[in-house]
Amino acid sequence: QVQLVQSGGEVKQPGASVRVSCKASGYSFYSNAISWLRQAPGQGLEWLGLINPYNDKTNYAQNFQGRVTMTADTSTRTVFMELRSLLPDDTAVYYCARDNSDLGADEGFAPWGQGTLVIVSS
Amino acid sequence: DIQMTQSPSSLSASVGDKVTITCRASENINKYLNWYQQKAGSAPKLLIYTASSLQSGVPSRFSGSGSGTDFTLTINGLQPEDLASYFCQQSYSSPITFGQGTRLDIQ
Repeated sequence: QVQLVQSGGEVKQPGASVRVSCKASGYSFYSNAISWLRQAPGQGLEWLGLINPYNDKTNYAQNFQGRVTMTADTSTRTVFMELRSLLPDDTAVYYCARDNSDLGADEGFAPWGQGTLVIVSS
Repeated sequence: DIQMTQSPSSLSASVGDKVTITCRASENINKYLNWYQQKAGSAPKLLIYTASSLQSGVPSRFSGSGSGTDFTLTINGLQPEDLASYFCQQSYSSPITFGQGTRLDIQ
């Protein structure tokens, strides 16, 4: 079955960077873009951006431009999200999620990874 | 950015009830509205895409309707396992944005 498995939780100091991985299986890795989203404790969902593994094209939300980088390693079917200059407000569960359709994100995201808790604290 | 507003923010209902959650977009998003269910401690799960299409494997008691700016998620015959938060999401334009969520409790 289609599955996304993320790396484990991280604790970082303010100003540091974090890199979260998302390994895909059960489908053609090139066919669907993968988005990264986050959810602060008790809060709603925020979209950070996406990467298309077919051509490495990215689209970042303006709020994260210059601070986030998404990459894909086709040899291991893994997508990575790096977030730099971390602040305590970046404390959240970070999710990767696949476009439900191979034609784009119009049909939502499915499935989602299990989530990675990133805690930013001194 | 397109703002998504859900109502109510929380509700309580009994098993067997019909439950309706609404979502309003700050501008016309055509049919590009998706609904998710999120149970405590788990990732969101896609229920409905493009306003009214039922995602594979999702029970038929879930349905969606609407277009333009106003959308509805309906649960016909609430079940105990429907205890969760529900989010709407617009996929019409970047950045993708979500409603703030509706917490559904079972009485």
